[in-house]
Formats: sequence, C-alpha cells, structure tokens
Amino acid sequence: DQQVKQNSPSLSVQEGRISILNCDYTNSMFDYFLWYKKYPAEGPTFLISISSIKDKNEDGRFTVFLNKSAKHLSLHIVPSQPGDSAVYFCAASDRDDKIIFGKGTRLHILP
Amino acid sequence: DTAVSQTPKYLVTQMGNDKSIKCEQNLGHDTMYWYKQDSKKFLKIMFSYNNKELIINETVPNRFSPKSPDKAHLNLHINSLELGDSAVYFCASSQARVEGTQYFGPGTRLLVL
Repeated sequence: DQQVKQNSPSLSVQEGRISILNCDYTNSMFDYFLWYKKYPAEGPTFLISISSIKDKNEDGRFTVFLNKSAKHLSLHIVPSQPGDSAVYFCAASDRDDKIIFGKGTRLHILP
Repeated sequence: DTAVSQTPKYLVTQMGNDKSIKCEQNLGHDTMYWYKQDSKKFLKIMFSYNNKELIINETVPNRFSPKSPDKAHLNLHINSLELGDSAVYFCASSQARVEGTQYFGPGTRLLVL
C-alpha cells in the first residue's frame, strides 16, 4: 500500500520557469513532510521540509505547500535551473521517526 | 569529509552467498537507518538503530541482520542471498528527530546472480 504517492514519474520544465512537483499521502497520522533530491549514483539529499502545523515553508528558490484537508503537498522551484535536474522524492514522517518515501519524480530542466 | 559512507559501492555475488555492507557516519548522530530501493524505485526503510539499540524493524526476512558495534556504525549482513535481494541499499543517519532530516550514504548496488 502506497502511503505516499508521486503520480508523475517525470516532468520537463524550461529553464527559468517554475517547476511544480506534486505529492499525495493517505495517512493522516503523518506530521512532518520532506522533500529529498537525488542525483544518479548518489544518496538522496535533504531539500526542504514542512511541519503539519504549517501550510507553507520557503527556502530560497524552493517552497513547499501543504494542504492537509486534501492530503496533498507540492514543491515549487522558481526559477528552475539546469542543476535542478534530478529525481525528487516526497517523504512523510510520523512520530516513530520512520520516513515513508514516494517513488520519486524525475525533473528535467530544458535549456 | 564524507558524512555517511558505505562500502562497498558495488557488490556482485552468487545466490546463496553471505555478504555484508558497512556504513559509517562521522556526524555524531544518534540514529542510523538502512533503506532498500527496489526495482520500482521505492525507498523502503528496513531498520533503524538509536545509540546501538534497534528501534525500527520493518517486515524484512530474518536473513537480513543489522549490527551496530557503536553509534557511528551500522552494518548490514545478509545470509543466503536471493535474486530478489538485488537492489540499491542506502544507509542514513539523523540526530534523533531533528526536523526529520536524514543524511544518506551514496548507496550500495547489490546484484545477485
């Protein structure tokens, strides 16, 4: 059972435009959400997170939005840059410290 | 300096063999994890240790045995390897539940023939 779903396996965005990556979850006990970025042959690296008591968190070009009623979160990257091309994993955590990952979305930034 | 390191990076072995993957972190973190990234690209947690004590043990065959000699190391030993064990295994560490941030190693690509 997929508790964290990223329904788009890949996404292509023009350099300089906004990239929007989406994520849905099913478990209402999740109280912390994270985005990880992964380059080929490397481990995932933490990008940005949001607590369930907030609906938005911003860090430079990256903003995460959380809609708890819809059990949906999204990652906005603006402006998109070539180095943003990677696989992005959405993840959710409950109080057990266990993190559940989505399948990932491959983002291609086009020149 | 590599924060979370794993050895080996690649491991090709025959079915039925026993193998180990080592993980070390130099971040001073209390908690370490093993994840398996399967062919469908899901990253699934397998184990978590906090200060050398097992705190998370997901439904993993008992052929997989984690060992934590100290809080900077969490090794994964796999007995009687099977074809389905082929995957990328990631080690990670975190400072307890500090914002849920986990630092990942580069992964070990295991191929069982």
